[in-house]
Order: sequence, then C-alpha cells, then structure tokens
Amino acid sequence: AQSVSQHNHHVILSEAASLELGCNYSYGGTVNLFWYVQYPGQHLQLLLKYFSGDPLVKGIKGFEAEFIKSKFSFNLRKPSVQWSDTAEYFCAVKGLSFQKLVFGTGTRLLVSP
Amino acid sequence: GAGVSQTPSNKVTEKGKYVELRCDPISGHTALYWYRQSLGQGPEFLIYFQGTGAADDSGLPNDRFFAVRPEGSVSTLKIQRTERGDSAVYLCASSQGTSGSQNIQYFGAGTRLSVL
Repeated sequence: AQSVSQHNHHVILSEAASLELGCNYSYGGTVNLFWYVQYPGQHLQLLLKYFSGDPLVKGIKGFEAEFIKSKFSFNLRKPSVQWSDTAEYFCAVKGLSFQKLVFGTGTRLLVSP
Repeated sequence: GAGVSQTPSNKVTEKGKYVELRCDPISGHTALYWYRQSLGQGPEFLIYFQGTGAADDSGLPNDRFFAVRPEGSVSTLKIQRTERGDSAVYLCASSQGTSGSQNIQYFGAGTRLSVL
C-alpha cells in the first residue's frame, strides 16, 4: 500500500527565511509526485509535480522540489519565503498502477512579516 | 466552468439522515474523483470515475456511501443513515485524462458536512 509521511506538522518562519518541507513516501513501483497548497479560505491548488526526467522540478511562486529515488523523498524548498506563503502544504503520491492520490497529513506554514 | 464546482459548500444534517453532495467537474474532463478530508488530515481517496463508470471504489468506507455519474459529467456522492463520524470536508477533483500530464487532478472547494 502507498503511504506518505510529512514529518513537519507546523512550521513557523520569518519572511526571507529559507524553507524545506520533508516528504517521504512508501511504494515499490514507479510514482508520480505532487505538492499541493491550500491558502487560507481557498481550495487545494497544484504547486508542482514530478512525472519523469529531471528530478529537480520547479513550480509556481519560486517553489522547487527534488525527487531522490534512493531515499523515497520529494522535499519542497523555497530560498526565501514571503508572508503570502502562509498556507497548508500537502505532498501526494500516485503509483502508476493507480489513479488515486495518496496524501500526507499536511504541513501548516506560518510566515511572520 | 472555470473550475470544479461543489454544492452545497456547507451541509448540516442530523444523525440518521440522508445527504447528497454534488460535483460539477471542469468541462471536458473525463475522470472524476471524490476524497474526504477529516480535521488535521490530508485528503483520503473514496472513489474514481472514468466516464460514467466507477473504475475504483476501494476507498468507500462502507455501504452507506454511494456515488453516481450517470452522464459522465456531474457526480453525486450519496450518504445514507449519516453518522457523526461522517463529518468532514468532501472534496471532488477532476482530470482531463488518466495518463501523463492529463492526469493532473484539479480540486473543488469542497463541501463541509456536519452531522449533529
């Protein structure tokens, strides 16, 4: 069975600090990987995705993530956060044999101005 | 429409009642998904439709839950004999297809169900 672990449940940062959110998954086969973001009062939005190729993927708003197959990880990074990045971030995995997304429990990020 | 539309946005019901939650996917999207998100958790898969048929209903928790998509567009999630444990945000997503870049799921705002 697929599973996703997000180890940081709550993160508090000051503006301009660097961000790294951990995501580890459990699945033996080929996967697609996603980060979704939910801003306060809004619906889930796709931040970035990995299907194949370059393991370093870039998404919207300056976010990037690196797929490390040997570590079953897909950590999210941003060099300098802004107050507007305050949101909840969800990592998700999809095995190629399945259509469903399996989500982690999410990380709440609070950026103080 | 521009995005996935879910109605109602909020539903309050009493234990034992029947409820229907509606999802209108992005126009032209063939695949539709239902998830449930409980407080402090990530979304959990319930059921997936390809066209009119339920291709994977392995996430439905029990036989009180049922979903249909009769014309391959709008879908309705039906919950019979609601229980307090059914309280959650029910999310709908759609994707253009099921392979490669077509398999990106776009989510609606959800229906918050409260069972008293």
